[in-house]
Amino acid sequence: AQSVTQLGSHVSVSEGALVLLRCNYSSSVPPYLFWYVQYPNQGLQLLLKYTSAATLVKGINGFEAEFKKSETSFHLTKPSAHMSDAAEYFCAVSSYTGGGNKLTFGTGTQLKVEL
Amino acid sequence: DTAVSQTPKYLVTQMGNDKSIKCEQNLGHDTMYWYKQDSKKFLKIMFSYNNKELIINETVPNRFSPKSPDKAHLNLHINSLELGDSAVYFCASSQDGAGRTDTQYFGPGTRLTVL
Repeated sequence: AQSVTQLGSHVSVSEGALVLLRCNYSSSVPPYLFWYVQYPNQGLQLLLKYTSAATLVKGINGFEAEFKKSETSFHLTKPSAHMSDAAEYFCAVSSYTGGGNKLTFGTGTQLKVEL
Repeated sequence: DTAVSQTPKYLVTQMGNDKSIKCEQNLGHDTMYWYKQDSKKFLKIMFSYNNKELIINETVPNRFSPKSPDKAHLNLHINSLELGDSAVYFCASSQDGAGRTDTQYFGPGTRLTVL
């Protein structure tokens, strides 16, 4: 079974500081990985996804993530945090089961941005 | 021109009642999903439908019955509601349910509270 683990349920950074949200995966097949963001009382929005085309993936709002097979990681980064980045972030892995595709999510990381 | 919409946004009801949540997507996608987000924000797939056909059922109690009248709609009916059903339910859609790299687009969620 494929899974992802997000280290740190809460991360706090200062505005302008580097954002680093950690995600490690477990998969018996080449993984396809996603980062989604959830703003308060809203649905999930795709930030970026890894589909094996390139190990460094750039997403929306200045976020990027690097796929590292040797470390089984797909950490999300942003060079300079903005107040508007405060949200819940979810890492997910895609798997094919019973004729269909599903996302298996990590437990989420709440990002707080302080002045 | 919301891509994936859900109604209602909030639903408060008594234990034992039956309720439905509706979902519609205008993206022309073939596959739709229901996910449940619990009070700890953990997201888990419940069902997926491809062209009105059920393809994933993740050991959800049979009190939950999804119905897809056409590929743009996926409704969720819940019988005999229990306290543990309280959660946020998200509908999502993707172009092709068999593609592990497909992006899933999420609706805004329906917050169900069972009293």
